[in-house]
Amino acid sequence: RKEVEQDPGPFNVPEGATVAFNCTYSNSASQSFFWYRQDCRKEPKLLMSVYSSGNEDGRFTAQLNRASQYISLLIRDSKLSDSATYLCVVTSPNTGNQFYFGTGTSLTVIP
Amino acid sequence: ETGVTQTPRHLVMGMTNKKSLKCEQHLGHNAMYWYKQSAKKPLELMFVYSLEERVENNSVPSRFSPECPNSSHLFLHLHTLQPEDSALYLCASSHVGTGASGGYTFGSGTRLTVV
Repeated sequence: RKEVEQDPGPFNVPEGATVAFNCTYSNSASQSFFWYRQDCRKEPKLLMSVYSSGNEDGRFTAQLNRASQYISLLIRDSKLSDSATYLCVVTSPNTGNQFYFGTGTSLTVIP
Repeated sequence: ETGVTQTPRHLVMGMTNKKSLKCEQHLGHNAMYWYKQSAKKPLELMFVYSLEERVENNSVPSRFSPECPNSSHLFLHLHTLQPEDSALYLCASSHVGTGASGGYTFGSGTRLTVV
């Protein structure tokens, strides 16, 4: 079973729409969770960490559900510039907090 | 210069060539990583150096050879590669240990094409 699973998409949404991505993880001992953003032919960049209580950064909201072992990312009022691949990342203390990346979810925001 | 710098940005090499990828970080991190990213696949961890010691190999073929001379520099030496090794090679760094807040910083990557 994969450490991290994401729906690869693609998600094609109109500007202004709200879109949500989910990501599931297999190791219940996982402690740290992140969302990274990767633009085409560029390196991944940290978008936001995901905290147990949930956290919000402008139009972006991240949530963690430990019971069901998934994290989510909600993007409100989508902009054209949000088009990218969003990578879910989970760490595990069992492996020295190694990062496990999902395959990424592709988002295209359409004018 | 700040952040994580990788050179070269692009590399085309023949299967009999020997080349090296270089990574340098100016963030004071104590761990560095090599990842491989192929199309439609998740990032694959190749090597981890924590406090300048290699701690994970992940069964990478011996035609890839890492070197970490100090906490700021990381190399990936390449020889007799195969066309299927063509990919984006990403270097990352992080701070591990007490007080670490998590999060990797990636370099821009080297896009490697093996012909």
